[in-house]
Amino acid sequence: AQTVTQSQPEMSVQEAETVTLSCTYDTSESDYYLFWYKQPPSRQMILVIRQEAYKQQNATENRFSVNFQKAAKSFSLKISDSQLGDAAMYFCAYRSGDKGGSQGNLIFGKGTKLSVKP
Amino acid sequence: GAGVSQSPSNKVTEKGKDVELRCDPISGHTALYWYRQSLGQGLEFLIYFQGNSAPDKSGLPSDRFSAERTGGSVSTLTIQRTQQEDSAVYLCASQQEGGAWYEQYFGPGTRLTVT
Repeated sequence: AQTVTQSQPEMSVQEAETVTLSCTYDTSESDYYLFWYKQPPSRQMILVIRQEAYKQQNATENRFSVNFQKAAKSFSLKISDSQLGDAAMYFCAYRSGDKGGSQGNLIFGKGTKLSVKP
Repeated sequence: GAGVSQSPSNKVTEKGKDVELRCDPISGHTALYWYRQSLGQGLEFLIYFQGNSAPDKSGLPSDRFSAERTGGSVSTLTIQRTQQEDSAVYLCASQQEGGAWYEQYFGPGTRLTVT
């Protein structure tokens, strides 16, 4: 079975600084997708960034980027120029691609609570 | 357009009672997922509906949990004879079908408290 591990229960960053959240996963599959979701106090899960395992190039979305190390099964999220609105729980998630198609349930890590200091 | 909605937002029930949680997915989304988020835990997959196919119930923790999806749209998650360990936030997500892969859109969740 696949597992996702986030080893940092809490992280803190100064506004405008850069922070990296860690995520490792375990799988024997060759085709899969990885995601970072943000959950503010409103509980609404918001997709931050996603990565296809077959792509070597790291995904980037504005201030958010990932460092995808497939051999090490590592998928860290870097937030640049941190803003107060970035404060939230961040969840790393895995989805199998072996069934084909574009759907399937997500497997989540336990999350990292990010605080942003003004 | 309207996002995924869930009701009620919060539910307090006594141990042993049955509860129903509702999810209204985004119109046109063929896939619907239920997840459970217990305190201090990540999200745990419960059940997955895809169109008219038989649902994937592999994540349901016990036979007290069941779900249905009527007309390929609204879904109801039912928990019978609730226990204190059922206290959690129950999140629903819907997803569009397509050749490229699309994101799951989440609702705001229902916080269930069993006393």
